[in-house]
Amino acid sequence: GENVEQHPSTLSVQEGDSAVIKCTYSDSASNYFPWYKQELGKGPQLIIDIRSNVGEKKDQRIAVTLNKTAKHFSLHITETQPEDSAVYFCAADSGGYQKVTFGTGTKLQVIP
Amino acid sequence: NAGVTQTPKFQVLKTGQSMTLQCAQDMNHEYMSWYRQDPGMGLRLIHYSVGAGITDQGEVPNGYNVSRSTTEDFPLRLLSAAPSQTSVYFCASRGTSGNEQYFGPGTRLTVT
Repeated sequence: GENVEQHPSTLSVQEGDSAVIKCTYSDSASNYFPWYKQELGKGPQLIIDIRSNVGEKKDQRIAVTLNKTAKHFSLHITETQPEDSAVYFCAADSGGYQKVTFGTGTKLQVIP
Repeated sequence: NAGVTQTPKFQVLKTGQSMTLQCAQDMNHEYMSWYRQDPGMGLRLIHYSVGAGITDQGEVPNGYNVSRSTTEDFPLRLLSAAPSQTSVYFCASRGTSGNEQYFGPGTRLTVT
């Protein structure tokens, strides 16, 4: 089955700096890669996603890049703010609920 | 729209007790699922449903039952609670036209 590895598990950055979270996947059939943000006491919320026919996608301060050959994708947050502090999850989806695999999460702390 | 709602928010059970976690969505989504979230393990799929009357097992189904009598509701039943079921449980829904999952706020369950 699919295996998704996510690094780092924790990340501390100064406010205004950039943060990068990386994920690798194993199943070449995966074609959809969402990123979720989970704030304390809440459920995960989709913040950005990318499909396998696209190499990069950007939405204001967040961007995601995908390298299909190397089977890895990354989340980039620029100009970080304290409200970016949360746990971030990546996932790889090859179609259908039973084929969505989540990473283990990255706890991001933005220090004011 | 309320989105995905879950009750209760917190629950403590003794080993061997049974209970039902409630989940409802008002977005007319066909797909619904239950995940458990444990430290360092990301989100793991317990059961899912692709429509009323249709359910299937996910990655970790043992000890849990589900049913889907309506589009809106997808309850998760713990038949005989065990300490290994101590976790945070999330319900999610998804429409048929996209991949984005909408998560509820979660239920934190402790089994003593």
